[in-house]
Amino acid sequence: DAKTTQPPSMDCAEGRAANLPCNHSTISGNEYVYWYRQIHSQGPQYIIHGLKNNETNEMASLIITEDRKSSTLILPHATLRDTAVYYCIADYGGATNKLIFGTGTLLAVQP
Amino acid sequence: NAGVTQTPKFQVLKTGQSMTLQCAQDMNHNSMYWYRQDPGMGLRLIYYSASEGTTDKGEVPNGYNVSRLNKREFSLRLESAAPSQTSVYFCASSQTQMNTEAFFGQGTRLTVV
Repeated sequence: DAKTTQPPSMDCAEGRAANLPCNHSTISGNEYVYWYRQIHSQGPQYIIHGLKNNETNEMASLIITEDRKSSTLILPHATLRDTAVYYCIADYGGATNKLIFGTGTLLAVQP
Repeated sequence: NAGVTQTPKFQVLKTGQSMTLQCAQDMNHNSMYWYRQDPGMGLRLIYYSASEGTTDKGEVPNGYNVSRLNKREFSLRLESAAPSQTSVYFCASSQTQMNTEAFFGQGTRLTVV
């Protein structure tokens, strides 16, 4: 599984877009980029994942660079409830999915 | 739809006691996982099970044993609890196919005194 690097913390103003970066320079061709978040001490929650193309769902957008060495999670209109630790994971998914978490980014949305 | 259910939610143990943390999922998932999370830290994988009847060590397996009882249930056992095992334990499950996400339980908060 490729190692990922994220900034330890970020701030964002409420209502603005939150852009969370992730570096995964050793990612292999079959590894997906997954994003999860953990609000307070709850169980982590899946947000989005992608392989090569940019992805969007009701929660967020995922932008993956063409060389796949980095990605950005975008929360288009951050709210106070988006304050959480965000984890970026590079993994194959499925039967070989070990789902190894790093330390994540603590996003603090400010009023 | 209950998803992933962990029991108990809270537990206090004395050093040397044993206990089993239970996890069950109702999504017909093949893969299941156990993590621990220490204060201010990320999740660390203890053991995982890619399918019924198989288990593999994760990042921090020492001091733990697991049993994949059937497709639904994956238990984590502490044979002789130590204060260093004070943590929040999360169970998760996912489907076997690639390109799928994992679902997590709400955690078991364990204190060993």
